[in-house]
Amino acid sequence: GAVVSQHPSRVICKSGTSVKIECRSLDFQATTMFWYRQFPKQSLMLMATSNEGSKATYEQGVEKDKFLINHASLTLSTLTVTSAHPEDSSFYICSATEPGTGGYGYTFGSGTRLTVV
Amino acid sequence: AQSVTQLGSHVSVSEGALVLLRCNYSSSVPPYLFWYVQYPNQGLQLLLKYTTGATLVKGINGFEAEFKKSETSFHLTKPSAHMSDAAEYFCAVTLNTGGFKTIFGAGTRLFVKA
Repeated sequence: GAVVSQHPSRVICKSGTSVKIECRSLDFQATTMFWYRQFPKQSLMLMATSNEGSKATYEQGVEKDKFLINHASLTLSTLTVTSAHPEDSSFYICSATEPGTGGYGYTFGSGTRLTVV
Repeated sequence: AQSVTQLGSHVSVSEGALVLLRCNYSSSVPPYLFWYVQYPNQGLQLLLKYTTGATLVKGINGFEAEFKKSETSFHLTKPSAHMSDAAEYFCAVTLNTGGFKTIFGAGTRLFVKA
């Protein structure tokens, strides 16, 4: 079945630095990937939709200059949290779906726990 | 507006007892319905899905769900809970409105008592 790999699983960074999170589709090509943020004991909040070869589409209220998304290939999307602050600490999850199958469920990465100190 | 409501943020059952997690949705177009499970510090795993056809769908780990259009519900059940079922469960609706958009419920944490 479809597999999505997310790396790193955990990262601790100092306030003011940038952190890059990778999301890879291992056995399928994903023209679209999704980035979510999850606060403790809460549901997933869609941050942005990453489209291969074009600019990401950000949800309302999400700062695109802070959360940089690059989808340079059909198997890789990256989320860079720039100038991270403690309030950016959260669990970030990506998901992907094979082209044309968005109605059949998504495959999720294992998530990245970001802690900004 | 489209929405997903999961009744009960926490559900506690005894090992061997019936598991029932409730999900109701609101949608102006035919929905695709999903249940996902999330273990601590992990991503989400698809349990089961309804797209078309048979309204009773079976998923992994003995779970099943029934799509009831008249009740706009998609409740998740399992006849006998195991300790390993303790996790967070999310109901989700995907709508095709020219592109696929998924809405997640708030989640229900399932506790299983020995």
